[in-house]
Amino acid sequence: RKEVEQDPGPFNVPEGATVAFNCTYSNSASQSFFWYRQDCRKEPKLLMSVYSSGNEDGRFTAQLNRASQYISLLIRDSKLSDSATYLCVVILNSGGYQKVTFGTGTKLQVIP
Amino acid sequence: EPEVTQTPSHQVTQMGQEVILRCVPISNHLYFYWYRQILGQKVEFLVSFYNNEISEKSEIFDDQFSVERPDGSNFTLKIRSTKLEDSAMYFCASTEGAGQGQPQHFGDGTRLSIL
Repeated sequence: RKEVEQDPGPFNVPEGATVAFNCTYSNSASQSFFWYRQDCRKEPKLLMSVYSSGNEDGRFTAQLNRASQYISLLIRDSKLSDSATYLCVVILNSGGYQKVTFGTGTKLQVIP
Repeated sequence: EPEVTQTPSHQVTQMGQEVILRCVPISNHLYFYWYRQILGQKVEFLVSFYNNEISEKSEIFDDQFSVERPDGSNFTLKIRSTKLEDSAMYFCASTEGAGQGQPQHFGDGTRLSIL
């Protein structure tokens, strides 16, 4: 099983649609979880942290299911500017440093 | 908002040459990281650095690679004898701490092209 696995997509959705991305991770000791977005040939940019209780930031909702080792990101009312690759990032905090693993990313294309 | 800065934005080098990629992490951050991303592939961890020493390195980070914090602001990645397969985007990142919930902040990367 890959350490962090995502459906690569692409997800092609119309403007205004709701879209959900999933991510699974293999190391149950992982402690911190994030969603980043990456535009073509740019750096990953932090979108949001993912908390056990679930959290929301505007149109974005992130969920964590530790029992199933599963993270999700829901985007409501998709905008053209949401087109990007969404990276699931899983971190193991160990011995005073972070062991960071990126998923391969899920590509989203929002269509007018 | 403070940010991680990287130079140069694009580096073109002949195979076998040495290259140094530079990063200035966010000023109050203590943990530093290098990643690479080959075109079309995922972001891969190279090395983490804290308190002037390497905390962890991946299999990619072999003897051709080294990191250094030569002064209080810069964090460099050196590739001694570049190979064609070193062509990639190289991202520097930093965090304030290494505790739970600390996100990594990325620089905008250096595109390394080996000819």
